[in-house]
Amino acid sequence: EVQLLQSGGGLVQPGGSLTLSCAGSGFTFSNHAMSWVRQAPGKGLEWVSSIRGNGDTTYYADSVKGRFTISRDNSKNALHLQMNYLRADDTAVYYCAREPYTTPINWFDPWGQGTLVTVSS
Amino acid sequence: DIQMTQSPSSLSASVGDRVTISCRASQGISNYLAWYQQKPGKVPKLLIYAASTLQSGVPARFSGSGSGTDFSLTISSLQPEDVATYYCQRYDSAPSAFGRGTRLDIK
Repeated sequence: EVQLLQSGGGLVQPGGSLTLSCAGSGFTFSNHAMSWVRQAPGKGLEWVSSIRGNGDTTYYADSVKGRFTISRDNSKNALHLQMNYLRADDTAVYYCAREPYTTPINWFDPWGQGTLVTVSS
Repeated sequence: DIQMTQSPSSLSASVGDRVTISCRASQGISNYLAWYQQKPGKVPKLLIYAASTLQSGVPARFSGSGSGTDFSLTISSLQPEDVATYYCQRYDSAPSAFGRGTRLDIK
């Protein structure tokens, strides 16, 4: 069974940093691009970032460019999102998601369980 | 960037009704369009990709159509378990983008 298990998240002060992780299982991790999508409380879905299967190409939404870094460790079937200079409007549930091909940008299936990031003093 | 406009933003219909949700792209995106269902408090679930391809395991009452700028998601016979918010997503190029969602309730 294909599964994505997320970890990390929590409460952080404005200007702080946090790293989210996502562990993939049940599929050949390096064969799939991976992405992060977030959802602010009571709001819609927002694409955040994507990374190619071999990790050599990344894409970011303008809202996070220069502050967030997506990375992956295919030897550990792990995806990460390093979030720096966090702002109140970064408060959201963050989902990792698998793409169907090694090259981004595509549809997302499946999604991780989501992890809440709250930026507040 | 190409914007996605969904309509209506909310919809109430009766069990058994045929329901259609629309999604319009500000520029042509060929068929690079997916639809998701998100039930309250749950993780989004892929319904349709490539505008009209039904994801494995999704009930056949769901269907998608369209190409270019105008797309639609249709539920042929609304069921109580279809109460959810539905999102379209364009993936023709980065940045990918979602529509603002359509909340569907039972009348």
